[in-house]
Amino acid sequence: RKEVEQDPGPFNVPEGATVAFNCTYSNSASQSFFWYRQDCRKEPKLLMSVYSSGNEDGRFTAQLNRASQYISLLIRDSKLSDSATYLCVVNGEEYGNKLVFGAGTILRVKS
Amino acid sequence: SQTIHQWPATLVQPVGSPLSLECTVEGTSNPNLYWYRQAAGRGLQLLFYSVGIGQISSEVPQNLSASRPQDRQFILSSKKLLLSDSGFYLCAAGGGYNSPLHFGNGTRLTVT
Repeated sequence: RKEVEQDPGPFNVPEGATVAFNCTYSNSASQSFFWYRQDCRKEPKLLMSVYSSGNEDGRFTAQLNRASQYISLLIRDSKLSDSATYLCVVNGEEYGNKLVFGAGTILRVKS
Repeated sequence: SQTIHQWPATLVQPVGSPLSLECTVEGTSNPNLYWYRQAAGRGLQLLFYSVGIGQISSEVPQNLSASRPQDRQFILSSKKLLLSDSGFYLCAAGGGYNSPLHFGNGTRLTVT
C-alpha cells in the first residue's frame, strides 16, 4: 500500500462547481497534514495546512479524519484559475522529518 | 520569510556527463533541506534530506549524491548522468513537526 494515495483524476468541472478530493494515508502516527497546489511545470506551493478540527480558507475547506486515515479538500465556487494538480502531503513520526507527497489529483475547471 | 534559490532553471546534459545543482536558502538558520525529483507526469520522489551540515540521508539508491557544506547550502551531484536522471529537481526547506515545506523554483534537467 502506498504511504499516501490520491485519486489521480482528472476532475473536469464547470466554473462555479463544488469539487472534493480525498487522500488516504497509511501511517496512523502521522501528525502533520497539508494540501499543496502545483501548476504545470512549476514548483508545488502550499495551499493550506490541515488541522484536526478542520479549517477553512476562503473557498477552500480541509478536513482530517484520523479514524479512517484520510484528509479531504473541498473547493467551492470553482474558478478557472483553480485548475492545477492538488497534492496531499503527510508527515509523521515514522517519516521523521520527511514529508511524503501523494501523486496528485488533477483539477480542470472549464468555462 | 525564507527564500530558496535554485539554479539553473533548465539544463541539458549528455549521458555520462557530471551534474552539480546548487540550492541556497535565505531567511532561516539550520533548516531541514530536501532534494526531490519529479519525472514527467509523475509525483514527487524524495531523493535526499539533511537536518544539518554534513548530515545527509539518502532515500533512493542511485547514481546521485548530495552534500551540505554549509548550513544553508545543499548540493546535488552526479559523476555520470543516465537518461533516467531526466526530470524536475526541486530543493525544499522546512518540514519539521507541523511545518510545511517551501520549494525553490526547480531545475528542469534533460539528459540526452
